[in-house]
Amino acid sequence: DVKVTQSSRYLVKRTGEKVFLECVQDMDHENMFWYRQDPGLGLRLIYFSYDVKMKEKGDIPEGYSVSREKKERFSLILESASTNQTSMYLCASTPPGGELFFGEGSRLTVL
Amino acid sequence: GDSVTQMEGPVTLSEEAFLTINCTYTATGYPSLFWYVQYPGEGLQLLLKATKADDKGSNKGFEATYRKETTSFHLEKGSVQVSDSAVYFCALQFSGGYNKLIFGAGTRLAVHP
Repeated sequence: DVKVTQSSRYLVKRTGEKVFLECVQDMDHENMFWYRQDPGLGLRLIYFSYDVKMKEKGDIPEGYSVSREKKERFSLILESASTNQTSMYLCASTPPGGELFFGEGSRLTVL
Repeated sequence: GDSVTQMEGPVTLSEEAFLTINCTYTATGYPSLFWYVQYPGEGLQLLLKATKADDKGSNKGFEATYRKETTSFHLEKGSVQVSDSAVYFCALQFSGGYNKLIFGAGTRLAVHP
């Protein structure tokens, strides 16, 4: 079975903290994505990666960075969390030309 | 730029009612179109897709037809069940773009017994 695993389902952090969201896929997919989901806005692409150590900005990269040191793992980093980054974060992966598979999401609250 | 517009929710229906969720898109080329579903507490999963004009995607009793002339991809189901309660997302994708998807805002469906 296809599996995309996000390390934390729920996190609560304080303003200014550094936050790491981890995503692992077991399907040997080249492409991986980080989206944030907000009510009324749908899913917005933060960053994506098409290969190890390669990354591209999505539509809303400000305040975020990413790391992809291994093919199966794609990390989203909030260098200094702010309250407007309170959201649901969804990771996805796909082979070239294929369907996106999503993780269950990480709900982050920044106080 | 490219975008997807969905009807606003929530949509509230009784069991066995007919469902339509409207989706229109704006795109400079000929994208593939998708419907994803998100059940409570879960991530998104692909419901159906269509890759070219006049294609019909179908799955679990849901259908959607790719209409190039009206730039639409409306989701329909003849008889909804309580278990269909979820958030439905319409999305488009261009080939050659690392499979990036552009999503609509989502439509929440609540089905009551």
